[in-house]
Amino acid sequence: AQSVTQPDIHITVSEGASLELRCNYSYGATPYLFWYVQSPGQGLQLLLKYFSGDTLVQGIKGFEAEFKRSQSSFNLRKPSVHWSDAAEYFCAVGANDYKLSFGAGTTVTVRA
Amino acid sequence: DADVTQTPRNRITKTGKRIMLECSQTKGHDRMYWYRQDPGLGLRLIYYSFDVKDINKGEISDGYSVSRQAQAKFSLSLESAIPNQTALYFCATSERNQPQHFGDGTRLSIL
Repeated sequence: AQSVTQPDIHITVSEGASLELRCNYSYGATPYLFWYVQSPGQGLQLLLKYFSGDTLVQGIKGFEAEFKRSQSSFNLRKPSVHWSDAAEYFCAVGANDYKLSFGAGTTVTVRA
Repeated sequence: DADVTQTPRNRITKTGKRIMLECSQTKGHDRMYWYRQDPGLGLRLIYYSFDVKDINKGEISDGYSVSRQAQAKFSLSLESAIPNQTALYFCATSERNQPQHFGDGTRLSIL
């Protein structure tokens, strides 16, 4: 079975600064990988996904993530954070596209 | 209108009561899912369904049951609610080999 770890529970970043959220997974083969964002009172919105192919994945809202097989990681990055990026971010991993394991989430606070 | 609609959005009830959470979708997806979210634990899969005649247990199905009444409707029931089932519940839908799309959630409190 797969598992996923998001080591950072909470990150505070200044508006305009870069952001990197870490995601480490445990799975024997190449997994399906996702990043979702959750704003208060709302459901999860997909930021990006990796199924195969190019290991650098572009998503919505200026986010990107890189799959590194050797490090079992799928870290999320954004070059310049906006106040609207304050939210909770979840990494998800699956052996397929339907039985996913979610990380505990990283809460991002953006300070002016 | 939302593609994945969950009702109710909030519910407070008492221990031992039967509760049904409903999910409907207009996306035409075959696959539907129920998750619960607890602080510090992320989302955990309760049940999933690939079509009307297909129901599968997820990671934490004990104490829950589901019904897929139609392609567009998937309901979650708690036959006899207990306080540790207090959580945020999400319904999701997907097509094969595509990401899951989530509703806005139902906040359930069991006293």
